[in-house]
Amino acid sequence: QKEVEQNSGPLSVPEGAIASLNCTYSDRGSQSFFWYRQYSGKSPELIMSIYSNGDKEDGRFTAQLNKASQYVSLLIRDSQPSDSATYLCAVNRGGGYQKVTFGTGTKLQVIP
Amino acid sequence: SQTIHQWPATLVQPVGSPLSLECTVEGTSNPNLYWYRQAAGRGLQLLFYSVGIGQISSEVPQNLSASRPQDRQFILSSKKLLLSDSGFYLCAKRLAGEAEQFFGPGTRLTVL
Repeated sequence: QKEVEQNSGPLSVPEGAIASLNCTYSDRGSQSFFWYRQYSGKSPELIMSIYSNGDKEDGRFTAQLNKASQYVSLLIRDSQPSDSATYLCAVNRGGGYQKVTFGTGTKLQVIP
Repeated sequence: SQTIHQWPATLVQPVGSPLSLECTVEGTSNPNLYWYRQAAGRGLQLLFYSVGIGQISSEVPQNLSASRPQDRQFILSSKKLLLSDSGFYLCAKRLAGEAEQFFGPGTRLTVL
């Protein structure tokens, strides 16, 4: 079992729709959860962090965390073509050097 | 990524040649620094991390090495490159007391 699992996609949504990206993780000791956006050929950019169960909203983005189910998701409302990218889920177990484990990413395509 | 610099941006090297990639960060003192590699179609693999000058920990055995000669400088090296060393090399930093990691722009290495 992979430590952090994501559906590779591509996930295609029409412009203006809600995109829902999902991620599961295996380590129950995980403490911090992140979503990164990576455009083709570019480095990952942190877009959301979440640390406790529930929802966290930032603009058009909402991160959801359910530690009991070991599940974290990212919702993008009013999707735009500029949201087309690969979204990486990342999980931090904490500890001395804060090791972060990344999923392989879900490719999102927003169709105009 | 504006406060993290990496060079070169792209590099094409023959098998067996040496390698030196440099990462420098601005602003903060004593950041935790990380080297990742992202191979085509694969997730981010942590290679090395450093909590301070001269302190390097390796995550995976390989023909790469890292050094941190100054607080804000992190170098990735190899004496002899392999074909399998091709990939997108990313430097990341984490501020003390925080969980988030931020990435530099990356170096795309092709070994021929």
